[in-house]
Amino acid sequence: DVKVTQSSRYLVKRTGEKVFLECVQDMDHENMFWYRQDPGLGLRLIYFSYDVKMKEKGDIPEGYSVSREKKERFSLILESASTNQTSMYLCASSDPIVQANTIYFGEGSWLTVV
Amino acid sequence: TQLLEQSPQFLSIQEGENLTVYCNSSSVFSSLQWYRQEPGEGPVLLVTVVTGGEVKKLKRLTFQFGDARKDSSLHITAAQPGDTGLYLCAVRFGNEKLTFGTGTRLTIIP
Repeated sequence: DVKVTQSSRYLVKRTGEKVFLECVQDMDHENMFWYRQDPGLGLRLIYFSYDVKMKEKGDIPEGYSVSREKKERFSLILESASTNQTSMYLCASSDPIVQANTIYFGEGSWLTVV
Repeated sequence: TQLLEQSPQFLSIQEGENLTVYCNSSSVFSSLQWYRQEPGEGPVLLVTVVTGGEVKKLKRLTFQFGDARKDSSLHITAAQPGDTGLYLCAVRFGNEKLTFGTGTRLTIIP
């Protein structure tokens, strides 16, 4: 089974702190994604990556950055956390060749910024 | 901006009843997926449909893709408490990335 692991399930951070959310997948997938999920807004794509050291902006990249130094790891960075970034963050991965339409999600990271 | 609406937003029914939830787009899409997300978990893919008019069955779940490729429905027969969760549709417009709907939160009452 594909495993997408998000290192932190629940975090509480202060406004202005730098926050790192880590994600690791074990299936050698090319594509990795970061979404945030908010009630009534569904899943919104923050950033995605098609390869190591490659990154593309999604629909809501403002206030976020990402890092993909290794194929299996995709990190989401909040440079200066704000209260409107309180949300559930979901990491996902997919293989564009073998299973182009299948995206595998992690269990999510609940971030509260106070 | 492509719009993707799901209805109803919330649905609560008794165990054993049947239900249908809907996903509607303002534009034609090339493929559609349905996901289920249980509390505290990430979404899990249920089905992918790519052909207009297509019908797929997954045990008690029946998925329909509209002929015009702008809408889809998910019908559950004899709902069980294990069906409780957030049902999300996701579509791809041409070769663009997936766009997710806002979801239908389903609660099955034992």
